[in-house]
This record gives sequence, C-alpha cells and structure tokens, in this order.
Amino acid sequence: DAGVIQSPRHEVTEMGQEVTLRCKPISGHNSLFWYRQTMMRGLELLIYFNNNVPIDDSGMPEDRFSAKMPNASFSTLKIQPSEPRDSAVYFCASSLMDGNEKLFFGSGTQLSVL
Amino acid sequence: QKEVEQDPGPLSVPEGAIVSLNCTYSNSAFQYFMWYRQYSRKGPELLMYTYSSGNKEDGRFTAQVDKSSKYISLFIRDSQPSDSATYLCAIGRGAQKLVFGQGTRLTINP
Repeated sequence: DAGVIQSPRHEVTEMGQEVTLRCKPISGHNSLFWYRQTMMRGLELLIYFNNNVPIDDSGMPEDRFSAKMPNASFSTLKIQPSEPRDSAVYFCASSLMDGNEKLFFGSGTQLSVL
Repeated sequence: QKEVEQDPGPLSVPEGAIVSLNCTYSNSAFQYFMWYRQYSRKGPELLMYTYSSGNKEDGRFTAQVDKSSKYISLFIRDSQPSDSATYLCAIGRGAQKLVFGQGTRLTINP
C-alpha cells in the first residue's frame, strides 16, 4: 500500500490567494483527518470525516477554512483567502476505525503564506 | 491547563543509553495511549499503542501507562542514532479525539 498521499509537498503563496491541499487516504480506511502542525501549537485536529461525512469541524479556525470529501479516496482542504498566520505543515491522516484507533499520516504539505 | 503535557526537550543522549520520555494528562476518561515518532520533514508514524493501562514491549521500546497518576512513559533501550526524531504522545477516547503532546525532540549522539 502506498500509504496516505498528500499534494503538493510544498506550497508558497501570497496573502489573499486561495490554497487547496489534497489528500488520498489509504484504500479501505473509512475515516480521514486533517491536522495542522506549528511550533507554537503543536499538532491540532482541524476536521475529521467518517464515511465521507464531516463529523467534527470544531477545530477549523475560521470560515476561511473549508474541507470536502467527495468520495472515499479523495479529500481537499481549502483556505480562502490565505493569511500569513496560516503558514504551517498540514497533515492528512486516515484510519480504519474498527476499534483499532491507529492513525496513518501522510508526509504533509508545508504551506508558506507571504 | 493543557489536556496533555509533554516536555519539548530537546533531549540529547549518547548512543546505547536508555531514554525515558513521558507525558501527563488530565482527563481520566482517556483510554487510548499512543506514541508516534516523527522524523524531520515527515509525518508522524505510530510507534506504540496501548488501550487502557499496563505495559507493552516491542523490541527496544517499552510503553507504560499509569492511569492512577495520569502518566505515560516510553522507554528506549540501547538507543541508536536512527532513533533521533521527535516523539509525540497521543492520548484520548478514540482516534477521532486524540490529543497530541507538543513532542520531545530526541538526539542520539554516536
């Protein structure tokens, strides 16, 4: 299995631009998570989906952030408009959620908003 | 008070030493206790997983959970330079509500 695949690996954009991060979970996993990691705040859960349905988006910082999961093999996290304080590493993770609560993370997207 | 507290280090030890990493937590309802290892510019990878309390051993790694003290530990025996990474504890009631520690940056010196 190729594991969780995220793209792009790096994204540099200017303040005010729209940013879209992409994730392909492990085949067969029924839950998908978006995390953000910064030095100051560590790893924070933004949103998670179960069977393609958003279950908890309480971690989404504000309305500029949105996430979708149109099918079991693809999810996007969009920031519009982007701000410098959004600069961080964004991770996608997936899980089977069958009582075995293990998360499998992608390699992340390093986002820099100038 | 944070739900999960972890000393960020950094921690530097010589090769072959025993390493002790730990976290404290505040919510007695937490039942899942995990340790993730994160190499530079990589995503976290699951290292140890414990449900409820007790000890678990896997090769050179031992995870301990003390629910009465709300304290978990990860021990690394015969540490190797390849163990140099950031170690994050993750604690919660399930994968959907895991709370991660800040991570401890560990360096093993040859």
